Amino acid sequence: DQQVKQNSPSLSVQEGRISILNCDYTNSMFDYFLWYKKYPAEGPTFLISISSIKDKNEDGRFTVFLNKSAKHLSLHIVPSQPGDSAVYFCAARGSNDYKLSFGAGTTVTVRA
Amino acid sequence: DTAVSQTPKYLVTQMGNDKSIKCEQNLGHDTMYWYKQDSKKFLKIMFSYNNKELIINETVPNRFSPKSPDKAHLNLHINSLELGDSAVYFCASSQGAGTGNAFFGQGTRLTVV
Repeated sequence: DQQVKQNSPSLSVQEGRISILNCDYTNSMFDYFLWYKKYPAEGPTFLISISSIKDKNEDGRFTVFLNKSAKHLSLHIVPSQPGDSAVYFCAARGSNDYKLSFGAGTTVTVRA
Repeated sequence: DTAVSQTPKYLVTQMGNDKSIKCEQNLGHDTMYWYKQDSKKFLKIMFSYNNKELIINETVPNRFSPKSPDKAHLNLHINSLELGDSAVYFCASSQGAGTGNAFFGQGTRLTVV
């Protein structure tokens, strides 16, 4: 039973434009959310996170938005760059959880 | 200086064999994990150790046995390998529960033939 869902398996965007990745979750006990970026043949690397007490967190070109009532979060990348082409995983955990629950990932392709 | 390193990166073996994957972290974290990424690309938790104590053991066949000799190491031993065990296995570490990011190794692509 997938508690974290990324319904868009892929996204293609032109260089310089905005990339918007979406993620939904079903477990109301989740209160910490993360985005990971993964290149082929490498492990996932942490990108940005947000606690449930916030609705927005920004780090350079990356911004994560959290809508707790809708159980929805999104990652905005502005502007998109060719090096952003990768698989992006949404993950979540509860305050007493050790494990992360992951979505299936969204493959982003940034076109020149 | 790699934070979480796992070996080997690639492993090709025949059905029925026994194999091990090793993982080491130099971040000083107290918790280590094994995740499996299957053919559908889902990353799913298998095991977790906190201070050498097993704290997570998801529904995984008994053929899989984790071993944590110390806080910095978590190895995965697999007995009697089956075709369905083919996947990418990721080791990770974090500090405690709740908030805090997990750091992942580069993965071990296991292919059972």
